[in-house]
Amino acid sequence: DAGITQSPRHKVTETGTPVTLRCHQTENHRYMYWYRQDPGHGLRLIHYSYGVKDTDKGEVSDGYSVSRSKTEDFLLTLESATSSQTSVYFCAAREGYEQYFGPGTRLTVT
Amino acid sequence: QQQVKQSPQSLIVQKGGISIINCAYENTAFDYFPWYQQFPGKGPALLIAIRPDVSEKKEGRFTISFNKSAKQFSLHIMDSQPGDSATYFCAASQETSGSRLTFGEGTQLTVNP
Repeated sequence: DAGITQSPRHKVTETGTPVTLRCHQTENHRYMYWYRQDPGHGLRLIHYSYGVKDTDKGEVSDGYSVSRSKTEDFLLTLESATSSQTSVYFCAAREGYEQYFGPGTRLTVT
Repeated sequence: QQQVKQSPQSLIVQKGGISIINCAYENTAFDYFPWYQQFPGKGPALLIAIRPDVSEKKEGRFTISFNKSAKQFSLHIMDSQPGDSATYFCAASQETSGSRLTFGEGTQLTVNP
């Protein structure tokens, strides 16, 4: 499962506050990804990273930023959370062709 | 624009029956087609995957059928069991675009005992 952990696992925050989600992997994978899961939409890519300090946007990147200062950590930041960002967030890492997912973070923005 | 369309949204099958989930894609540059299984409260888990150079891949009770000309692929679950009850997602990616996965909307499978 690529040794992926996510923190926190659950978070409730208020509209307008900044939020940072952390993804940590132990397998030294180069590629890492952030997805959000919403009913009726499957999973949609927010941002991804192809190396330390190398990141690119996905299909739903507005309102999100990412950072990767170490191979093992990939951070997702909501600069000013909105109710539309209430979702379950999954991190993934790539091994060969395969992507393995973490357990997810359930974020509620009130 | 939804590049991967999945059907049906939900599926109910009796124990021992065959479950079939279908996906269609638009981008002919996709070169990797995985299926994921997700249980409530868990992350998606890779179930089986196929590359477009083969038309079928089988792993145990799970089979992917791939039709390149029709731009369709499907998951067949033989001898379905109640433990197979989960949400299934098809996906597609292109290695030259960072292997970003584009997912279908998901199918909620229920296998009745």
